[in-house]
Amino acid sequence: GESVGLHLPTLSVQEGDNSIINCAYSNSASDYFIWYKQESGKGPQFIIDIRSNMDKRQGQRVTVLLNKTVKHLSLQIAATQPGDSAVYFCAEPSSGGSYIPTFGRGTSLIVHP
Amino acid sequence: GAGVSQSPSNKVTEKGKDVELRCDPISGHTALYWYRQRLGQGLEFLIYFQGNSAPDKSGLPSDRFSAERTGESVSTLTIQRTQQEDSAVYLCASSLGAGRNQPQHFGDGTRLSIL
Repeated sequence: GESVGLHLPTLSVQEGDNSIINCAYSNSASDYFIWYKQESGKGPQFIIDIRSNMDKRQGQRVTVLLNKTVKHLSLQIAATQPGDSAVYFCAEPSSGGSYIPTFGRGTSLIVHP
Repeated sequence: GAGVSQSPSNKVTEKGKDVELRCDPISGHTALYWYRQRLGQGLEFLIYFQGNSAPDKSGLPSDRFSAERTGESVSTLTIQRTQQEDSAVYLCASSLGAGRNQPQHFGDGTRLSIL
């Protein structure tokens, strides 16, 4: 049988399209969020972060939106390129003052030339 | 620029052998984390070091796993009597300060394969 763990949510887009990757978080007290990109065979790489006193933060070709009402985070990538193909996951600090962040399972972005 | 460095990048060993994985964090980063990542899965926390404080070992899956850190520099993760289920990528990350509300900087990991 299939292993659920091997099937990450996948988003397939054409080169040049805009991509939106979503993340739901669980702790309403979380005050800091990070998006990471992990290419095949490499470690996760920091993309952008946002603090809870902001709703939106822009980087180069990337924008993170935070909706605290519904505990939802999204990463928007403009003009997606083949080099953007990777697994993207969000992270939030754990509750109770822990220094161990909670990582989402990730979304696999596939960009077709 | 010196990022987080891990060695070896790949390790193949026989079941029952001990392995030692090394992590060199970014200079000045006092927080250091070890994670395990199985194929197609997310990051599984193993252990956290912060300065000279006692490490948080709450993620270690069994007593076959241990880790040490020398001051605020190199860390080694040791797996004794390896099992096939230990096959995974082991990632190390470091961050500034205590690590909370700070991005983590990851190495490229050690891919461990147990035959």
